[in-house]
Amino acid sequence: AQKVTQAQTEISVVEKEDVTLDCVYETRDTTYYLFWYKQPPSGELVFLIRRNSFDEQNEISGRYSWNFQKSTSSFNFTITASQVVDSAVYFCALSEAWRGSTLGRLYFGRGTQLTVWP
Amino acid sequence: NAGVTQTPKFQVLKTGQSMTLQCAQDMNHEYMSWYRQDPGMGLRLIHYSVGAGITDQGEVPNGYNVSRSTTEDFPLRLLSAAPSQTSVYFCASRIDRTYEQYFGPGTRLTVT
Repeated sequence: AQKVTQAQTEISVVEKEDVTLDCVYETRDTTYYLFWYKQPPSGELVFLIRRNSFDEQNEISGRYSWNFQKSTSSFNFTITASQVVDSAVYFCALSEAWRGSTLGRLYFGRGTQLTVWP
Repeated sequence: NAGVTQTPKFQVLKTGQSMTLQCAQDMNHEYMSWYRQDPGMGLRLIHYSVGAGITDQGEVPNGYNVSRSTTEDFPLRLLSAAPSQTSVYFCASRIDRTYEQYFGPGTRLTVT
């Protein structure tokens, strides 16, 4: 069965600390896509990154970086030198390419609430 | 492009009333979905569609109906509102299953 687990329900850090948000997924498919979304206090959902199962290279975008490891079925998200504006709920999600009856479904984790204190 | 739009932004209903939450996208996306978000539950899929005329149920479809007569529109109907349907509802669209989903701004629904 497809599943995305974000074991950290809430994380609190002080500004400038680094923080890693964990995401573990389960899938039987060899072709799949992983995503991270951010939901700030204003409520909208903002797309952060998309990664396909054939690309295990880590990605860095400014203070954000993502570590994809197929061996451990993990797609972790690290914020370096966190800022108050990073306070949000972060969701990890999985989409499979070849599961016929559920084409189009995106499986979400329950989210991690990150609070960055000044 | 307006992206994904949802109306209304806020709604209060009495138990037993019906209503339709509107969702439209102007990106010519085939895939559209409805989610509800409740505290501690994350995003739960209600219904989704992979193209005009094709819909399927998600995790929590009971009490909701959808139809997809055009590529652009994907309305969600509450048949007989219940307090358990108090939630924030998000509509989303994507090009296909390999791409990211774009979300609307959400509708906050309260059923009294």
